Amino acid sequence: DTAVSQTPKYLVTQMGNDKSIKCEQNLGHDTMYWYKQDSKKFLKIMFSYNNKELIINETVPNRFSPKSPDKAHLNLHINSLELGDSAVYFCASSPRDSSTNEKLFFGSGTQLSVL
Amino acid sequence: ILNVEQSPQSLHVQEGDSTNFTCSFPSSNFYALHWYRWETAKSPEALFVMTLNGDEKKKGRISATLNTKEGYSYLYIKGSQPEDSATYLCAPQGGADGLTFGKGTHLIIQP
Repeated sequence: DTAVSQTPKYLVTQMGNDKSIKCEQNLGHDTMYWYKQDSKKFLKIMFSYNNKELIINETVPNRFSPKSPDKAHLNLHINSLELGDSAVYFCASSPRDSSTNEKLFFGSGTQLSVL
Repeated sequence: ILNVEQSPQSLHVQEGDSTNFTCSFPSSNFYALHWYRWETAKSPEALFVMTLNGDEKKKGRISATLNTKEGYSYLYIKGSQPEDSATYLCAPQGGADGLTFGKGTHLIIQP
């Protein structure tokens, strides 16, 4: 069983479209994250949710909206996609909130290509 | 968000040789230091989490040390094997801000 699974693995879409990436973890973790691997290969945190509550919201365009229906799921919805949104997006989870030193468990990534 | 520097950016090592690389981070507002291993076409996997100055952790042939006063950590690999080829990321944690990842050291082990 995959611990942190995200879908789709690849997403190719036109500029201006709205798309969602889904993430689910079956580890019983309290905290989930979205990271973006940018063009320079940095992994940058976008959002963090703890027990369905937003706890980290980095400087991300408001076209990006995370949604956590329950603590096992954190979906990422992107409105009005732009060329610069093309990147690999990683979901991750950890057992507790980000103020403790718990390691992250990553999903396999979603490669988003905006044409 | 913390400023993280990893060096070198890439490293070619002969199979059987030992190697090490560095992670530098601000020593203020330090909470923990994480090391991750990221193989091509896979997702990052946690290696170590260290919190105390002088901490040393070991997993098989890989070990790491931590100096929180001067703001650096070393990752050592003893007797490199081809399966060690990966990008090694360090990520200091500054309290509730989550992890800030460095660009990584891309390690290639040559048979």
